[in-house]
Amino acid sequence: EAQVTQNPRYLITVTGKKLTVTCSQNMNHEYMSWYRQDPGLGLRQIYYSMNVEVTDKGDVPEGYKVSRKEKRNFPLILESPSPNQTSLYFCASSPLREPSNAEQYFGPGTRLTVT
Amino acid sequence: AQSVTQLGSHVSVSEGALVLLRCNYSSSVPPYLFWYVQYPNQGLQLLLKYTSAATLVKGINGFEAEFKKSETSFHLTKPSAHMSDAAEYFCAVSAEYGNKLVFGAGTILRVKS
Repeated sequence: EAQVTQNPRYLITVTGKKLTVTCSQNMNHEYMSWYRQDPGLGLRQIYYSMNVEVTDKGDVPEGYKVSRKEKRNFPLILESPSPNQTSLYFCASSPLREPSNAEQYFGPGTRLTVT
Repeated sequence: AQSVTQLGSHVSVSEGALVLLRCNYSSSVPPYLFWYVQYPNQGLQLLLKYTSAATLVKGINGFEAEFKKSETSFHLTKPSAHMSDAAEYFCAVSAEYGNKLVFGAGTILRVKS
């Protein structure tokens, strides 16, 4: 089944404890992206990648890191999480390197709570 | 730069009634426009998209949207609401040669029996 998977789905952690949220797609998509969803703000892009070893900042990159060593994986790293990073996170992928008119396929989401 | 405004964070309709979810966009270049739906505890899935081929776009589950350039709008409609339509709906815009999707704040649709 073609899909985007994220792990973990739920995570509660403490301030300052490094964590990684994994994202993997099995559709051989070029483009991958991370978003955070907050009530009343919709989805905001954190980072995106148009190809292996190519990543760039989105609208809210502060406090996050990403890497794209393989085409299928795009982990999101929080080196020192803070309470303002409590949010619902989505990974997405698209078949086009510049997906302006293409559908993005979303993972199921990761709900992160930082205390 | 692109932006999206969704009018009404919550919309409530009766089962069988017309659904109208409003979306206005701002874009300095011809836009591509999307409606995504998010069911509880799930990711987003594409309902429909406008990519300049036709101004009236039909999507899944009986939804459609009309692109009106003069009004910079892309409102989502469905003639008859069903209980299963209860979800959060997001309008989004991207630009030609762009690599970013800009989302609106979302509209939660409630369907009353």
